[in-house]
Amino acid sequence: DAGVTQSPTHLIKTRGQHVTLRCSPISGHKSVSWYQQVLGQGPQFIFQYYEKEERGRGNFPDRFSARQFPNYSSELNVNALLLGDSALYLCASNQGPHNYGYTFGSGTRLTVV
Amino acid sequence: AQSVTQLGSHVSVSEGALVLLRCNYSSSVPPYLFWYVQYPNQGLQLLLKYTSAATLVKGINGFEAEFKKSETSFHLTKPSAHMSDAAEYFCAVSDGTNAGKSTFGDGTTLTVKP
Repeated sequence: DAGVTQSPTHLIKTRGQHVTLRCSPISGHKSVSWYQQVLGQGPQFIFQYYEKEERGRGNFPDRFSARQFPNYSSELNVNALLLGDSALYLCASNQGPHNYGYTFGSGTRLTVV
Repeated sequence: AQSVTQLGSHVSVSEGALVLLRCNYSSSVPPYLFWYVQYPNQGLQLLLKYTSAATLVKGINGFEAEFKKSETSFHLTKPSAHMSDAAEYFCAVSDGTNAGKSTFGDGTTLTVKP
């Protein structure tokens, strides 16, 4: 079975641009969470979606948005990119809304120049 | 609010020696606690979890952790380190509510010397 898949694996953007990151959860998992991991730090919670509804939001500006589709895949969108948005963006899936431990994807490495 | 403190950003042990990675948490409600491992250029892999059942939790790859409420700790141990254990380890806490949020520590890099 495929694990959590994220695309793209790497990308480079210019300040001010927009980016869309994609995530497909494990088959049967209905919850997707997004995390930002800056180099040298632990992951920081951005969003959780369950059954296509937002269930949690971290302390990130409104430039960050996300959605979940009927097939439970998800997109994370970031507008007006800043240099500080450079990070590894991780997607994690669970079967249900409760956090009994995530299965993470390998992440998308975003570099903003 | 919840928080996690991992004591020691870098730990170095010899192959075959005991591994001890320390984690202290703060939570206003009974916590769920997790340890994850991250290898270079990869995502995080769940090693083990405590979700209010047995306080001594066994995980994959020979790791285990003990939940000590009185000490607000959840230290990770392994009796004998292998070279393949070299990685970054993250402790995380969740309040187990409907929100899927986990709060992570800043990680401990484990080096295993031959």
